[in-house]
Amino acid sequence: EDQVTQSPEALRLQEGESSSLNCSYTVSGLRGLFWYRQDPGKGPEFLFTLYSAGEEKEKERLKATLTKKESFLHITAPKPEDSATYLCAVQAGSGNTPLVFGKGTRLSVIA
Amino acid sequence: EPEVTQTPSHQVTQMGQEVILRCVPISNHLYFYWYRQILGQKVEFLVSFYNNEISEKSEIFDDQFSVERPDGSNFTLKIRSTKLEDSAMYFCASRKESNQPQHFGDGTRLSIL
Repeated sequence: EDQVTQSPEALRLQEGESSSLNCSYTVSGLRGLFWYRQDPGKGPEFLFTLYSAGEEKEKERLKATLTKKESFLHITAPKPEDSATYLCAVQAGSGNTPLVFGKGTRLSVIA
Repeated sequence: EPEVTQTPSHQVTQMGQEVILRCVPISNHLYFYWYRQILGQKVEFLVSFYNNEISEKSEIFDDQFSVERPDGSNFTLKIRSTKLEDSAMYFCASRKESNQPQHFGDGTRLSIL
């Protein structure tokens, strides 16, 4: 069974204090790993797709990396507006398979 | 930027009643999904839909659930006889091709009394 585990469950940072969120996964034939941001009362907002080990993607203060067992979302010099829940999801196999989500990391950035 | 829209944003229904949740996917997308998120828990897959038929469904998606794409733009989820445990956020998602990311709407909060 495909599984996604995210850590920590919650993270509190001071503005400017860089850190990383972890996503460990077990999947039979990874097709893609996805990072989403979710604000309270909203749907997941797409951030990145990673397809193969060694791949990296960047967007503003966020950088996502992928190995064969885990992915990291690095947040450099975060701002209060980066506060949100960050979700990791995997898609396995071929065809129109669904996403399998982790529980997310709830990030709070304090000014 | 095109987005997935869902209505209503909040639906309150008595247990045992039928409910229909509505979604308008992004216009040139071909793959459609419903997920749900019970408060404090993971986002869970319900059903996927492509080429006017269900591609895959989870154990949650039993015979009380159905989906329909009635007119080429809307995508609906119907629950025939709601239960208390159906209370959750329901998210619709769509994507253009099978190797593209899914884009989500802001959800319908379903409250069963």
